[in-house]
This record gives sequence, C-alpha cells and structure tokens, in this order.
Amino acid sequence: DIRMTQSPSTLSASVGDTVTITCRASESLSSWLAWYQQRPGKAPNLLISEASNLEDGVPSRFSGSGSGTEFTLTISSLQPDDFATYYCQQYNSYSYTFGQGTKVEI
Amino acid sequence: QVTFKESGPALVKPTQTLTLTCTFSGLSLTTSELCVAWIRQPPGKAPEWLARIDWDGDQKFYCTSLKTRLTISKNSSKNQVVLTMTNMDPADTATYYCARIRDGEGFFDYWGQGTPVTVSS
Repeated sequence: DIRMTQSPSTLSASVGDTVTITCRASESLSSWLAWYQQRPGKAPNLLISEASNLEDGVPSRFSGSGSGTEFTLTISSLQPDDFATYYCQQYNSYSYTFGQGTKVEI
Repeated sequence: QVTFKESGPALVKPTQTLTLTCTFSGLSLTTSELCVAWIRQPPGKAPEWLARIDWDGDQKFYCTSLKTRLTISKNSSKNQVVLTMTNMDPADTATYYCARIRDGEGFFDYWGQGTPVTVSS
C-alpha cells in the first residue's frame, strides 16, 4: 500500500496567519490526492480533490498544490473555524490511504 | 439532499462478527458511477479505508490488510450497503463511517455521521 506522511503533526497558529501542511507519498500519485478537514466528533469534510480542485462551498482561503509525491495544503488568513485536524488521502489505486493528520491549534 | 446513515451494534465481543448497515438517500441510482465505501477511525487516529462497492457492476474492493475479514454487499431494493467484519478484536474499536465515492474516483464527498463500535468482553 502507498504510505502517506503528513507534516507537521501539530501546528500552532493564530487567527490571520497563513499555514502550510505537507503530505508526501511513498510513490507517485500523479494528482490523485484529496484533503479533508475534521472537527471533533464529526466526519471528515472534503475540501480539495485532484490535488488542487476546491470543493463547492469551501472558502477560497484554502488551496492545494503539488503532484507526484509531494503535496501541500495552504490556508491563508486563518479563521477561528479553521482550527481542526486535516488529512490527506491518496486514491491512485484501489487501496486508499490517509495521512496521519495535522492538528491546527491556536 | 444526499444523506448517509450508519447503523449497527455499539458493542461487540472479541471473536464476534460485526454487521453494519449504511442507508443512503437523495442519490440517483440510474447513474453508473455510484460507489459506496466504508471507512473507520480509531479514537485519536487517522481514518482507514476498509472497502468499496460499485453499484452497477457490483465490483468490490478491500483494504489489503483486512481483506480476509471483510465482506461488502448491497441491498438494491433498500438503498443499503452492508459491511461484515469477522473475528472482531479490541483493536477494531473505532467509529465506522460510510461515504460516497464521487464519479467512481477514489475520494469521499458525502459521509455519514458515523457509528461508534467498541470491542470488549
């Protein structure tokens, strides 16, 4: 299975900051990567698919980039609602795997 | 409005078989691209994909490490997807989610609220 490694595991930031989360894959994914946001007690919520396609209704301060084995999720001008845990997920093959998560905390 | 809802026992004993049901609504079943997945998330850990079923062709895919213990199936008349997992272990304690895979790709755009399952004697 493809291994996904996110960094950092925890990120401390303030409202208004710009933060970047990195996701690395153990083999090339082309652009078959998604990002999710998860708040405590809730299901993950899809933010971005195919590395950089923003879901309808997701604020434009979220952006994704990358291809191959290295991807980033950037959140510009952090808002109070954005303090949550973020996961990357690859779907290059019929064996989907998630990163271990990045908790963005105040 | 698209909704997914999981149901099943909250507590199972070690070695027992877990059966979970996912009931969905608001989706057109005339599309050939409907795919439903099961995903679980142990407390404090990342999600883990378990299985996928493609509605029209009835193709099934499983997580490599759990393949021998999982069976995914569908009940077309009830808009339901069922997951069974045999030989449950305390390490299988998790919240279990069902979700839609959009357009036959591999990412999950609609999720249920999840159902917590504890494995304990």
